[in-house]
Amino acid sequence: DAKTTQPPSMDCAEGRAANLPCNHSTISGNEYVYWYRQIHSQGPQYIIHGLKNNETNEMASLIITEDRKSSTLILPHATLRDTAVYYCIVRVGGSQGNLIFGKGTKLSVKP
Amino acid sequence: GAVVSQHPSWVICKSGTSVKIECRSLDFQATTMFWYRQFPKQSLMLMATSNEGSKATYEQGVEKDKFLINHASLTLSTLTVTSAHPEDSSFYICSASGGQGMRGYTFGSGTRLTVV
Repeated sequence: DAKTTQPPSMDCAEGRAANLPCNHSTISGNEYVYWYRQIHSQGPQYIIHGLKNNETNEMASLIITEDRKSSTLILPHATLRDTAVYYCIVRVGGSQGNLIFGKGTKLSVKP
Repeated sequence: GAVVSQHPSWVICKSGTSVKIECRSLDFQATTMFWYRQFPKQSLMLMATSNEGSKATYEQGVEKDKFLINHASLTLSTLTVTSAHPEDSSFYICSASGGQGMRGYTFGSGTRLTVV
């Protein structure tokens, strides 16, 4: 699986959009971009995934650049409960193989 | 759907004793389960992968005789930390695949193990 690079930490004001970047310059054609988050002392939670097109669900939006070398997770209206570590993972889609976690981005949403 | 239950959520044990952690898929059959360990302020580290009915595959550096994994059914996997020592104190998390399609895996809520 391709390696990802994320900033170690970010702050966001409550109610504003949180934009979390991820670089994955070595991504291959059949690899998807997955995002998980881990709230303190809990198991990781799936957020969203995508291959080429931008994706949106009830939790977030995922913007993938045309060359697929980077992506941005967008939480449109961050709340205090969105404070967590966000992990960007690149892998072959579906339930194949294991998930390798990097260091992620610690997002702190402040009042 | 796709719920994974992990039990216990926390446990304190004496050095030298063994501790068993259970991971159950509640509404799907988990063909594969994964066990992770997470030390404070660090990321999740994969320990082993288990498929129902077969021996677990351990990551390099993980002692298979110390961390016994059993995946006897499609809904249950257990991790037993044998002869626990204080350095085994950590947050243990399981995940399961089998019912989530392209979403990947579902994680349990984790077990905080403290060895005193």
